[in-house]
Amino acid sequence: ILNVEQSPQSLHVQEGDSTNFTCSFPSSNFYALHWYRWETAKSPEALFVMTLNGDEKKKGRISATLNTKEGYSYLYIKGSQPEDSATYLCAFSPSAGKSTFGDGTTLTVKP
Amino acid sequence: GAVVSQHPSWVICKSGTSVKIECRSLDFQATTMFWYRQFPKQSLMLMATSNEGSKATYEQGVEKDKFLINHASLTLSTLTVTSAHPEDSSFYICSARDHSTDTQYFGPGTRLTVL
Repeated sequence: ILNVEQSPQSLHVQEGDSTNFTCSFPSSNFYALHWYRWETAKSPEALFVMTLNGDEKKKGRISATLNTKEGYSYLYIKGSQPEDSATYLCAFSPSAGKSTFGDGTTLTVKP
Repeated sequence: GAVVSQHPSWVICKSGTSVKIECRSLDFQATTMFWYRQFPKQSLMLMATSNEGSKATYEQGVEKDKFLINHASLTLSTLTVTSAHPEDSSFYICSARDHSTDTQYFGPGTRLTVL
């Protein structure tokens, strides 16, 4: 069983705050690390697919970094907005195909 | 991004009946689809990998005779919960894998309640 952990479990911030959360995964047999955003009553939306150690990806105010040697990835949100409120999931893939998901970090941004 | 639909969105059925859930990739072909189950306050648990034209691969502890998966075309996979019981009540969600980007695109999920 692969251990994929996300922290914190939940986070409450004020609008305009910047925030970050962590995904840790096994450091051996790495293929890819995925980040998803899951808003209530919607489908999980793919944010990033990260494959190389040291990768840094950015999409608007959201960015992510990857350290495969130590087995962690950070997701950053700059200047949080209420519409950023969602559960952010990471998923670890040791090979092409199936992934193991973390429990997610639920972010609530208060106006 | 790509769109994956799932039908029905929610279903309530009596114990002992079978329920079929459909997962469709609307704008790309998916040779691989995945079926997940989510228990309350837990993450997505992979149940099985659905492969077009071949048998599904089930995760340990998932009964293949209970959860029948058929992936007859490149855009459709179905999950049938046979002889459903109240403990099968859960949120079931599918995803379709886009091999070109190794990204999974998720359906909106199906809430199953077995009375």
